[in-house]
Amino acid sequence: QVQLVQSGAEVKKPGASVKVSCKASGYTFTGYYMHWVRQAPGQGLEWMGRINPNSGGTNYAQKFQGRVTMTRDTSISTAYMELSRLRSDDTAVYYCAREGQQLVRLYYYYYMDVWGKGTTVTVSS
Amino acid sequence: DIQLTQSPSFLSASVGDRVTITCRASQGISSYLAWYQQKPGKAPKLLIYAASTLQSGVPSRFSGSGSGTEFTLTISSLQPEDFATYYCQQLNSWWTFGQGTKVEIK
Repeated sequence: QVQLVQSGAEVKKPGASVKVSCKASGYTFTGYYMHWVRQAPGQGLEWMGRINPNSGGTNYAQKFQGRVTMTRDTSISTAYMELSRLRSDDTAVYYCAREGQQLVRLYYYYYMDVWGKGTTVTVSS
Repeated sequence: DIQLTQSPSFLSASVGDRVTITCRASQGISSYLAWYQQKPGKAPKLLIYAASTLQSGVPSRFSGSGSGTEFTLTISSLQPEDFATYYCQQLNSWWTFGQGTKVEIK
């Protein structure tokens, strides 16, 4: 079955970096964009960016430009999200999510149809 | 950036109630809107995309409507498993989420 398996929880100190992985299975990894979304404790969902696993091309939310790097390793169908210069307000659950698409009424529409279970990142001194 | 504002932020309802959640966009986004359901400690689940197309496997009591700047998610008869937080998401200009609507048991 289609699934995304994320790496385990991390605890980091302020100023450090964290790298979260997301291993895809059950579908062609290079055929679908992969997104990263985070959720701070008790807060809503925040889009961070996406990567095209085929080309490696990325699009980042302006808020994270310069601090986030998304990469992939197609040989093991795994996407990565690295966030640097961590602050306490980066404490959150980080999700990867596959971008699906469907032709509806002559137009293509996009959505996030498969999600990982999330990786908790705690930033604390 | 396109902002999405959901209303209400919190909703108290009973099993069997008809529930409507509104999502307003700061500028027109055609039908590039999706709805997700999230339960505590779980990842979001896609319910609706293209504003009104039900994702495969989602019960038909869920429906979506709207276009441009105003959208609604309706649950025709609230079931116990529907108590959750609901988010709208726009995909017209990059991707952003509304702030969420928590549906709790009255």
